[in-house]
Amino acid sequence: AQSVTQPDIHITVSEGASLELRCNYSYGATPYLFWYVQSPGQGLQLLLKYFSGDTLVQGIKGFEAEFKRSQSSFNLRKPSVHWSDAAEYFCAVAGQGAQKLVFGQGTRLTINP
Amino acid sequence: ETGVTQSPTHLIKTRGQQVTLRCSSQSGHNTVSWYQQALGQGPQFIFQYYREEENGRGNFPPRFSGLQFPNYSSELNVNALELDDSALYLCASSLGQGPNYEQYFGPGTRLTVT
Repeated sequence: AQSVTQPDIHITVSEGASLELRCNYSYGATPYLFWYVQSPGQGLQLLLKYFSGDTLVQGIKGFEAEFKRSQSSFNLRKPSVHWSDAAEYFCAVAGQGAQKLVFGQGTRLTINP
Repeated sequence: ETGVTQSPTHLIKTRGQQVTLRCSSQSGHNTVSWYQQALGQGPQFIFQYYREEENGRGNFPPRFSGLQFPNYSSELNVNALELDDSALYLCASSLGQGPNYEQYFGPGTRLTVT
């Protein structure tokens, strides 16, 4: 069965600082991997996804993520955060042909001015 | 292009009652998935509908049921509500089945069971 672990429940960074959110997954084959962002009162918005190919993927809002098969990780990064990045971030995994996304518990990001 | 919409926004029900939540898919999308997001948790997959047929189900009891209509809008019905059913219910539509089709999420319906 697929599973996702986001080890950090809450992270606080200063505006302008770099960010890395961790995600580890469990899946027997090559997974489909996703990062979503959820702002208060909003639905989930897709930041980026990895299906195959280049292991470094670029997303919207200046985010990127790197797939590392050997570590079963798909960490999200941003070189310089903005106050508007404060939100809840979810990593998700899906198997090929699967209908469902399996989400992690989420990481809440707070930005200090 | 109209995005995914859900109604109502908020709902308060009493334990034992029944509830129906509604979702309008993004234009042209034939697949809809429903997720339950408890407070402080990630979304959990309830089921998916593709062209009006249930196409996959998560670990939820039969009192969670759904429908997809010919216009691809959808309903989630929950019978015999329990306190643990209190959550944000999200629907997501996509152009097709499978994870290679991006799921577009609605803002959710916040259900409170008292």
